[in-house]
Amino acid sequence: EIVMTQSPAILSVSPGERATLSCRASQSVSSNLAWYQQKPGQAPRLLIYGASIRATGIPARFSGSGSGTEFTLTISSLQSEDFALFYCQQYNNWPTFGQGTKLEIK
Amino acid sequence: EVQLVQSGAEVKKPGESLKISCKVSGYSFTSYWIGWVRQMPGKGLEWMGIIYPGDSDTRYSPSFQGQVTISADKSITTAYLQWSSLKASDSAMYYCARQSVGIVIVPAGILGGMDVWGQGTTVTVSS
Repeated sequence: EIVMTQSPAILSVSPGERATLSCRASQSVSSNLAWYQQKPGQAPRLLIYGASIRATGIPARFSGSGSGTEFTLTISSLQSEDFALFYCQQYNNWPTFGQGTKLEIK
Repeated sequence: EVQLVQSGAEVKKPGESLKISCKVSGYSFTSYWIGWVRQMPGKGLEWMGIIYPGDSDTRYSPSFQGQVTISADKSITTAYLQWSSLKASDSAMYYCARQSVGIVIVPAGILGGMDVWGQGTTVTVSS
C-alpha cells in the first residue's frame, strides 16, 4: 500500500495570505495525484487532479505542483470560504488518501 | 446537471445485511466508473472500490475485498454498496463518487480523480 503523508496536520493562515500544503508518497506515484477539499458536513470536492490540473470550476488561486513523491497544494490568497480540510489522494495504484491537513483561520 | 443522490441514513444491528444506493443522473451512467469511499467518524477518507456500470467490471481495495459488494443496475442508473453481515466497525459515512478525470491505466485498474460526489450515507451499526 502506498502511504500518503500530509503536512502540517494543522495550518493557521490569515485571510489574504498564501497557504502551502504538502503531501508525500511512500513511493513514486508519477503525477497520479488529486487534491480534495472537505468542509464540515459536506462531501469532498475535487480541486486538482493529475497533480497540477484544476478541476472544472475551481478558482485559479488553487494550484498544484509536484511529481513522483513530493506534492504541493498552494492557495495563493486565502478567502474565507477556503478554510477546510484538505486531502491528497494517489491513484497510481490502489488509491489511498493522506490523513488530511486542516486549514484554519489565524 | 450531473448528480449522484444517495439513499438515506441507516441504523442496523450487528449481523444484519444492508444495501445502500447511489442514483445517478445528468450523464451517461454506463460511461464512467463510480467509486465508493468510507469515512469513519472523525477520520479521513478510505477508497473502497469502483465499478464500471457499462460492463459491471468491479475492483476492490485489498482492505475491503470480501468485506463489501459493489454492484450497479443500468436500468435504473444506480450503483450499490452492500454488506451481508454488518459489524460495529462498519459504522461510517459512505460516499459514492464519479471517477472521470485524469484517467490512467495502472496495475490496480483504471483510476483517476473523483469529480462528482454524492451527499453521503451514514451507516450506524449498534446493538
